[in-house]
Amino acid sequence: NAGVTQTPKFRVLKTGQSMTLLCAQDMNHEYMYWYRQDPGMGLRLIHYSVGEGTTAKGEVPDGYNVSRLKKQNFLLGLESAAPSQTSVYFCASRYPTGYGYTFGSGTRLTVV
Amino acid sequence: GNSVTQMEGPVTLSEEAFLTINCTYTATGYPSLFWYVQYPGEGLQLLLKATKADDKGSNKGFEATYRKETTSFHLEKGSVQVSDSAVYFCALGSNNDMRFGAGTRLTVKP
Repeated sequence: NAGVTQTPKFRVLKTGQSMTLLCAQDMNHEYMYWYRQDPGMGLRLIHYSVGEGTTAKGEVPDGYNVSRLKKQNFLLGLESAAPSQTSVYFCASRYPTGYGYTFGSGTRLTVV
Repeated sequence: GNSVTQMEGPVTLSEEAFLTINCTYTATGYPSLFWYVQYPGEGLQLLLKATKADDKGSNKGFEATYRKETTSFHLEKGSVQVSDSAVYFCALGSNNDMRFGAGTRLTVKP
């Protein structure tokens, strides 16, 4: 099925550990995004990419890094996880302006 | 910068009641406006959109009108069903990104 696939779906990390979240889309979308969702705060943009090889910071980029080496993949890295990064992470992609986003089903990350 | 302010919930209604969820925005330029719905354990799904002033977006009985004079994009449905229980997000899309409201949880009771 066409869409946005996120892996893993769940993960528990210890403080200080690192990990990478993978987002893959098969719709040939140019734009890709990483959001985090926290109770009462909606979705906040972490980083985004407007094309292969490009990345840019969003509202809450600190503590995260991203890479877009291939058009279909957008990776989110946590170099040294902190409890404040406990959240649900969503990846999204879209065509340029005027179109809605297609979201993945999310990754629930807990940092203990 | 761009931002969205959404009616806080939770909202609890009886089946067949009328629904309104308020959304106002602050933006420069001419953004597109969206409503997304999130069911438990899932990602957000696009419900409807409007790309310019006075446009009305509609889908599955829901509708919202892009009001530039009041900077609003309120979501309405004339008769809600139990299956409409979900979290609803208002969003504002500009050239590169989209800003979301905090979300409103709707529960519809039989």
